[in-house]
Amino acid sequence: RKEVEQDPGPFNVPEGATVAFNCTYSNSASQSFFWYRQDCRKEPKLLMSVYSSGNEDGRFTAQLNRASQYISLLIRDSKLSDSATYLCVVNIRNAGNMLTFGGGTRLMVKP
Amino acid sequence: EAQVTQNPRYLITVTGKKLTVTCSQNMNHEYMSWYRQDPGLGLRQIYYSMNVEVTDKGDVPEGYKVSRKEKRNFPLILESPSPNQTSLYFCASRNLAGGNEQFFGPGTRLTVL
Repeated sequence: RKEVEQDPGPFNVPEGATVAFNCTYSNSASQSFFWYRQDCRKEPKLLMSVYSSGNEDGRFTAQLNRASQYISLLIRDSKLSDSATYLCVVNIRNAGNMLTFGGGTRLMVKP
Repeated sequence: EAQVTQNPRYLITVTGKKLTVTCSQNMNHEYMSWYRQDPGLGLRQIYYSMNVEVTDKGDVPEGYKVSRKEKRNFPLILESPSPNQTSLYFCASRNLAGGNEQFFGPGTRLTVL
């Protein structure tokens, strides 16, 4: 079983739609959580950190559920420019400070 | 401008011909890392370094070497490349003392024939 699992998609949604991605992690010692965005053939870039109480950044909302070991990303009012792959990332305590990446979920927003 | 740079960006080579991919960061980060990204497998860590002269294996270190003689540089060395090392490679760095944001280089697309 992979340490960080995501549905690879693609999620095809119309502009203006609300879309949600989930990510599950297997290691209960996971300490920090993030969503990264990766555009085609480009490097990943930090989208947002995920805090225990949940957090919002404009149209993006991230939630963490430690009991069930999953994190989510909600995108409201999707834009064409949101089309990308979204990577779920976990920092596991006592694992050499390594970040473990999920395989990514591909989102395609259509006009 | 704060950044991670990699060179070359694209490389086509033949089996067995030693090559080095350079990585440099200008943010004074302690932590540097190399990943490879393959379809269906996501980002997998090859090697990482917590500081100068300190390197450790990641998930897929076989066939690779690294060195960290200076804080800013972290080259990836393929002594005898093979076709299964054809991949997209990313170097990354981050500050261990502060936040956890990891900065990636633009990637190196390597093809081994």
